[in-house]
Amino acid sequence: QSVLTQPPSVSAAPGQKVTISCSGTSSNIGKNYVSWYQHVPGAAPKLLMYENDKRPSGIPGRFSGSKSDTSATLGITGLQTGDEADYYCGTWDNSLSVGVFGGGTRLTVL
Amino acid sequence: DVHLVESGGDLVQPGGSLRLSCAASGFTFSSSAMTWVRQAPGKGLEWVSSITVAGSKYYADSLKGRFTISRDDSKSTLYLQMNSLRVEDSAIYYCVVGRISVNGLDPWGQGTLVTVSS
Repeated sequence: QSVLTQPPSVSAAPGQKVTISCSGTSSNIGKNYVSWYQHVPGAAPKLLMYENDKRPSGIPGRFSGSKSDTSATLGITGLQTGDEADYYCGTWDNSLSVGVFGGGTRLTVL
Repeated sequence: DVHLVESGGDLVQPGGSLRLSCAASGFTFSSSAMTWVRQAPGKGLEWVSSITVAGSKYYADSLKGRFTISRDDSKSTLYLQMNSLRVEDSAIYYCVVGRISVNGLDPWGQGTLVTVSS
């Protein structure tokens, strides 16, 4: 049972848009920045978004992030087959004094 | 380029110990917080432990008392001492630069596999 809640899977056709939600509480998302990670099985995870909505260099503008109260959202537009991966949100929990990840969302590009 | 190379993963019996190492290069290690993250087979990412530049240490609740994170800035190396290992500790362990909510975790090493089995 993850501290942060994500949908187990999402899917959409190539070229379409998808959003992945991440729900937390006032002690984690409500008080800290959220980061997002892309994990292609067999490879190392990669940082997609940090401080809620900032993209590291090299991450295309098709990826966007937002946060509102105790929830965060990752958006991906112009879906490509290469976007198929597991996506995780993460943040710090002030009450537990630990880092926390969501359970992960498997993106399928149909 | 930043380079992180984990080592020390192995097959170990329940109750045994391992020490993971992460050799870092390409950035100022002594000025960087560091984190260990693991992924058990078929499971998601799990935050394990972080150590700040000042040496403050944080651990997942399930690991407290069994795992110890440390760093040697003179060697640009991060460690994770794992004692009293359990079957459920079997996972790929990733060494990562940063703290999860401060600039995010980036980049990640390729990981080292720990298998706890009799």
